[in-house]
Amino acid sequence: EVQLVQSGAEVKKPGESLKISCKGSGYSFTSYWIGWVRQMPGKGLEWMGIIYPGDSDTRYSPSFQGQVTISADKSISTAYLQWSSLKASDTAMYYCVRGVAAAGFWFDPWGQGTLVTVSS
Amino acid sequence: QSALTQPRSVSGSPGQSVTISCTGTSSDVGGYNYVSWYQQHPGKAPKLMIYDVSKRPSGVPDRFSGSKSGNTASLTISGLQAEDEADYYCCSYAGSYTDVVFGGGTKLTVL
Repeated sequence: EVQLVQSGAEVKKPGESLKISCKGSGYSFTSYWIGWVRQMPGKGLEWMGIIYPGDSDTRYSPSFQGQVTISADKSISTAYLQWSSLKASDTAMYYCVRGVAAAGFWFDPWGQGTLVTVSS
Repeated sequence: QSALTQPRSVSGSPGQSVTISCTGTSSDVGGYNYVSWYQQHPGKAPKLMIYDVSKRPSGVPDRFSGSKSGNTASLTISGLQAEDEADYYCCSYAGSYTDVVFGGGTKLTVL
């Protein structure tokens, strides 16, 4: 079974750093893109960016460029999303997704989500 | 990239059909056959329902279908069931992996 399993919920203070993870299993991790999607409380889905673990090719949505860093460690089939200095406005659920981008474009499956709460 | 436009809510009775629209531009929905639809139940992660405009992943009931005309894509759910009540999001590729755009989401209520 193809699965993406994300790290647990986090509670942080403004200004702190954070790195959340997404571990893939059941498929060739280096052959598919891994994307990140933000969902703020009560709001819709927002595209953040994507990485190809095979060669670490990384692309960011203009809205998130410079705000977060996406990386991957193919040796452990894990992708990461990190912040160097969190803001209260980063409070949201974050989903990782496997991106299928060969002769088509869609996201399946989705990780279970990581809730990030930033509060003083 | 602006979000794709979806109705905030739609509703239907069990057994009926409903259609959710997703309007973009010639740079996204109209320019590529790469529209996908996701179902999200409260407190759950989204689930792929339709990809590449009209293809259905294995395991998704054939009550769910997708189409596109010009800059507007549509998701139709026929034979509505109580478990279809959820939020639905469309998504389109827009020329590069940096330019992926989601719709604002539509809440489907089964009356």
